[in-house]
Amino acid sequence: DTAVSQTPKYLVTQMGNDKSIKCEQNLGHDTMYWYKQDSKKFLKIMFSYNNKELIINETVPNRFSPKSPDKAHLNLHINSLELGDSAVYFCASSPETGSRNTIYFGEGSWLTVV
Amino acid sequence: QKEVEQNSGPLSVPEGAIASLNCTYSDRGSQSFFWYRQYSGKSPELIMFIYSNGDKEDGRFTAQLNKASQYVSLLIRDSQPSDSATYLCAVRAGGFKTIFGAGTRLFVKA
Repeated sequence: DTAVSQTPKYLVTQMGNDKSIKCEQNLGHDTMYWYKQDSKKFLKIMFSYNNKELIINETVPNRFSPKSPDKAHLNLHINSLELGDSAVYFCASSPETGSRNTIYFGEGSWLTVV
Repeated sequence: QKEVEQNSGPLSVPEGAIASLNCTYSDRGSQSFFWYRQYSGKSPELIMFIYSNGDKEDGRFTAQLNKASQYVSLLIRDSQPSDSATYLCAVRAGGFKTIFGAGTRLFVKA
């Protein structure tokens, strides 16, 4: 069973479109994340939810809107896509709050905006 | 100053040698330290974590932490071509945010 699964894995879309990426974890973790990895492979946190509550909201354009219907799901909706949004988006989860935890990543969603 | 810094490499070592990967961090309050490996086109996977000063060994991997120097390293003994990947250092301070370095690319030559 895949621990953290996200769909779609590949997404090619035109500028200006709106798209969503879905994520689900079956690890029973309380905290979920969205990370963005750009072409230089730099992995940067975007959002984090703990038990459906938004706890990290980095400096991300408000075109990006996360939503967590329950603690096992965290979706990412992107409005008015721009070329610079092309990247790999990783969903992740971790087992507990506090400092000593490990992040488990999904397989990534490759977004290409043309 | 970047919060977590790594030499981007590439670091090239011959098969069987020791690969040494280094990482420095800026937040003195950081409490947990992680090394992830990422193969091209794949997601990061955890190799090791370390919380206390000193060394922690797991198979061919040894993580070293020096909080006074704000320095963490990863040693890979008997490097294999399958170890060729990007190694990400990650640091977590109090709270929920884990910050990743930009990664060091490692090539192990057969």
